[in-house]
Amino acid sequence: EAGVTQFPSHSVIEKGQTVTLRCDPISGHDNLYWYRRVMGKEIKFLLHFVKESKQDESGMPNNRFLAERTGGTYSTLKVQPAELEDSGVYFCASSLLGNSPLHFGNGTRLTVT
Amino acid sequence: GENVEQHPSTLSVQEGDSAVIKCTYSDSASNYFPWYKQELGKRPQLIIDIRSNVGEKKDQRIAVTLNKTAKHFSLHITETQPEDSAVYFCAASEGGSNYQLIWGAGTKLIIKP
Repeated sequence: EAGVTQFPSHSVIEKGQTVTLRCDPISGHDNLYWYRRVMGKEIKFLLHFVKESKQDESGMPNNRFLAERTGGTYSTLKVQPAELEDSGVYFCASSLLGNSPLHFGNGTRLTVT
Repeated sequence: GENVEQHPSTLSVQEGDSAVIKCTYSDSASNYFPWYKQELGKRPQLIIDIRSNVGEKKDQRIAVTLNKTAKHFSLHITETQPEDSAVYFCAASEGGSNYQLIWGAGTKLIIKP
């Protein structure tokens, strides 16, 4: 089966610009998660979708981050406007059930200059 | 807040020797402890996990031990091989969640030929 795919793999933008990250989960996985690893620190949870609904968005850092999953398939994570501290690697993961192991994508490395 | 401490940050072992990575967690409600391996430029992949009702789990050359009283768990890799070189992340669940994970900062494992 195809794994979780993320696009782009790298993105370099200037402070104040907007960036949209995309995640395509494994087909049939209702559960989709966003995580990020900033400045080589630990990976932190951002939010969890079950189909198109936001089940848990307690990890979203502020209102500059907007995640959507229209139709319950792929998801986008928009950062607007981007700040320097947003630089890091953004991972998407999916799982079949809520208590199933997570399958991660390769991540998007975001650099804000 | 709750946290997971992971040690060491870098571990260099001779090929064929064993490697041990240790994590301690603070959330007494944690009951799920996965380990992920991330090779350079690739996605984090689940290599082994353990739940709190089990003290040890083994899968070929990889084993994980859990001490709930002391709140620590360890990854053991025996007969290390060059392909074991990667960054390893431990995580502990927040309560019973499978995805709301508190991550360690990662251990870079280097296998010397």
